[in-house]
Amino acid sequence: EAQVTQNPRYLITVTGKKLTVTCSQNMNHEYMSWYRQDPGLGLRQIYYSMNVEVTDKGDVPEGYKVSRKEKRNFPLILESPSPNQTSLYFCASSLFSGSRSHNEQFFGPGTRLTVL
Amino acid sequence: DAKTTQPTSMDCAEGRAANLPCNHSTISGNEYVYWYRQIHSQGPQYIIHGLKNNETNEMASLIITEDRKSSTLILPHATLRDTAVYYCIVMVGTYKYIFGTGTRLKVLA
Repeated sequence: EAQVTQNPRYLITVTGKKLTVTCSQNMNHEYMSWYRQDPGLGLRQIYYSMNVEVTDKGDVPEGYKVSRKEKRNFPLILESPSPNQTSLYFCASSLFSGSRSHNEQFFGPGTRLTVL
Repeated sequence: DAKTTQPTSMDCAEGRAANLPCNHSTISGNEYVYWYRQIHSQGPQYIIHGLKNNETNEMASLIITEDRKSSTLILPHATLRDTAVYYCIVMVGTYKYIFGTGTRLKVLA
């Protein structure tokens, strides 16, 4: 089954304790992206990647790191989490057409992170 | 950056057409308009996209004005399962997505 998986689905942690949220897709998609969703603010893009070793900042990259060493995986790293990073996080992937003619994104189920 | 503006919420009677508007007055000539929806806190689901022509698929129709400054998503026969938050999105520059806050559609029995 074609899907985007995220782990963990739920995480409660404390300020300053490094964590990684994993994202994996099995559709051979070039493009992958991370979003956070907060009440009243909708979804905001954190980072995206157009292919292996190619990443770029979205709208709210501060406090986050990403890496794209393999095509299928795009982990989100919080080196020193803070309470303002408490949020619902989504990973997504899509084909990278180059022409932007069809870039349907497939989203993962979400990771609910609480930083105390 | 191109941004979208949508009404915060709308109601629609079951079986009737739901028309969801979106303003994107700063959209550039080669930027596509995408629509997604999100049911509860699940991952958003793609609905439809377009550039300048009207589009239709099995889920919905997308009407884009001639000046491309606004568009309307039409769900022709809304059901209770269409209750969701609907996002109108444009891609900005090199594959950066601006989602906005969306329209909360409630389909009433």
